Amino acid sequence: QQQVKQSPQSLIVQKGGISIINCAYENTAFDYFPWYQQFPGKGPALLIAIRPDVSEKKEGRFTISFNKSAKQFSLHIMDSQPGDSATYFCAAKGGSNYKLTFGKGTLLTVNP
Amino acid sequence: NAGVTQTPKFQVLKTGQSMTLQCAQDMNHEYMSWYRQDPGMGLRLIHYSVGAGITDQGEVPNGYNVSRSTTEDFPLRLLSAAPSQTSVYFCASSYLRGNYGYTFGSGTRLTVV
Repeated sequence: QQQVKQSPQSLIVQKGGISIINCAYENTAFDYFPWYQQFPGKGPALLIAIRPDVSEKKEGRFTISFNKSAKQFSLHIMDSQPGDSATYFCAAKGGSNYKLTFGKGTLLTVNP
Repeated sequence: NAGVTQTPKFQVLKTGQSMTLQCAQDMNHEYMSWYRQDPGMGLRLIHYSVGAGITDQGEVPNGYNVSRSTTEDFPLRLLSAAPSQTSVYFCASSYLRGNYGYTFGSGTRLTVV
């Protein structure tokens, strides 16, 4: 049973545009929501994370928006650059569960 | 710090052969895990461990064994390789408690012919 649903599967954005990736979760015990960035041939790397006591967290051009009532969170990449082209995974964990549950990933391509 | 180190980076096996994928971390993380990544399938958990001497199965454990004799090392053994095990394998580690993400290794690309 997939507990974190991620969309879209793939996304093409022009340089300078805004990339938006969405995730929805089911388990209300989740209390930690990280995003990972994976470049080809590399392992996923932690990009940014949020707890549900805040609705937004920003780090540079990357922002997580969190909607607790809708059980949704999203990654926004402002002023997208070709160097942002990668696969992005959302994830969640919480309660007594120390394991991260991952979304299936979004392949982002930023065209120059 | 080296973080999470995986070896080898690439491996080609013949069907029926066995091998061990190595994973070591130097961050004193209690939690270690193995994932496989296949196109369109995301990251699927194979096995995980919450400390030395403690291991458990993930969602796709068949054909794989693990053991954890030290905090630092978590090897993954393929008992009798099959073409279906062709994949990219990632080891990840984390502190067990608190809001910490995983640290991933750089992966092992395995091809079974």
